[in-house]
Amino acid sequence: DGGITQSPKYLFRKEGQNVTLSCEQNLNHDAMYWYRQDPGQGLRLIYYSQIVNDFQKGDIAEGYSVSREKKESFPLTVTSAQKNPTAFYLCASTLLGGYSNQPQHFGDGTRLSIL
Amino acid sequence: GQQLNQSPQSMFIQEGEDVSMNCTSSSIFNTWLWYKQDPGEGPVLLIALYKAGELTSNGRLTAQFGITRKDSFLNISASIPSDVGIYFCAGGRFTGTASKLTFGTGTRLQVTL
Repeated sequence: DGGITQSPKYLFRKEGQNVTLSCEQNLNHDAMYWYRQDPGQGLRLIYYSQIVNDFQKGDIAEGYSVSREKKESFPLTVTSAQKNPTAFYLCASTLLGGYSNQPQHFGDGTRLSIL
Repeated sequence: GQQLNQSPQSMFIQEGEDVSMNCTSSSIFNTWLWYKQDPGEGPVLLIALYKAGELTSNGRLTAQFGITRKDSFLNISASIPSDVGIYFCAGGRFTGTASKLTFGTGTRLQVTL
């Protein structure tokens, strides 16, 4: 089935540790996004990438890093510099170009907690 | 970063009632989207709106793209228990080579029997 796969579903981080969240899509989408969701809040954009080997900071990029070495993959690293990493992380993707705007479609999320 | 104003924040309704929620912005968007999120899952797209004034339905759901391009509303008719969840609006600025969304703060819907 075509879709966006995020793993793991749950992740625990120790103090001073970097952790990496995986996002893979087999929809042949051009652009991929990472969002952070805190309880009772909307989604805030961390990073996005519109093409392989290129990415841009979103509204809350500090303490996070990404890479886009393949079209189908956009991993997010939560670094030790992110002092409040506990949140629900969502990955999304979309097609670019064409004659109509394409909405973003989401994975099922990774819940990150501090040990 | 900006988040859109979405209201109401939460609502409790009885099964069979109609529901209305809206989203407003100080900025213009060229696309409005409505998503539903169940606990522990990612948002699922309900309706996409692409033109000012557009009214679009998806089953019991109807959404409109405001004429000013700064607002949108979502109606759910004859609510059922599985409508429970959080509904998010999102305003989009799309070009052929870029796509970014700004999300509302969400409306939590609870349906009682």
